[in-house]
Amino acid sequence: GAVVSQHPSWVICKSGTSVKIECRSLDFQATTMFWYRQFPKQSLMLMATSNEGSKATYEQGVEKDKFLINHASLTLSTLTVTSAHPEDSSFYICSAGTVSSSYNEQFFGPGTRLTVL
Amino acid sequence: SQQGEEDPQALSIQEGENATMNCSYKTSINNLQWYRQNSGRGLVHLILIRSNEREKHSGRLRVTLDTSKKSSSLLITASRAADTASYFCATSGAGNMLTFGGGTRLMVKP
Repeated sequence: GAVVSQHPSWVICKSGTSVKIECRSLDFQATTMFWYRQFPKQSLMLMATSNEGSKATYEQGVEKDKFLINHASLTLSTLTVTSAHPEDSSFYICSAGTVSSSYNEQFFGPGTRLTVL
Repeated sequence: SQQGEEDPQALSIQEGENATMNCSYKTSINNLQWYRQNSGRGLVHLILIRSNEREKHSGRLRVTLDTSKKSSSLLITASRAADTASYFCATSGAGNMLTFGGGTRLMVKP
């Protein structure tokens, strides 16, 4: 099946710094990538949808200036958490979909655990 | 936004027993998918059932869908300790978006 990687798998940073998380589709071209956030023992909450070459669409309540998304190529999307604060600590998961998917299947990355001190 | 509700939120059973998890949703869907997540890991796609299907099997998994009640169930038969994980339903409507339910944390005791 299609493989999606994320880097880093975990990161610890100081409050006020920015952190970039990469999401790559390794063996297919992803026209759409999704970013989710998951707090402990909770479900995945969609943060934003990004299409290659266009601006991301953010879900209600997600600050676009704080969570910068860049989808510069068909295999790479990045999420930058700017001026991170402890409340941004969470598990961030990306997924990738393709236009050829006949049933809206998304391939999920392994996630990135962010801890802000 | 989170559409689905899952119950139970947590389920603890003995190895060999069956585990049933339920998912309810609110809007019309094209399909419903079930995913598994081991602690601190990404999601693994288990099974997809389309809106015009009522039941689907895959190995020890059995999924039902009742669109009139806007609900689905996932049955894991003859559970194993390795089935311990969180299970999420996700609905797909217009576009390529998935909306996840709250999840069921399953623990299978050896």
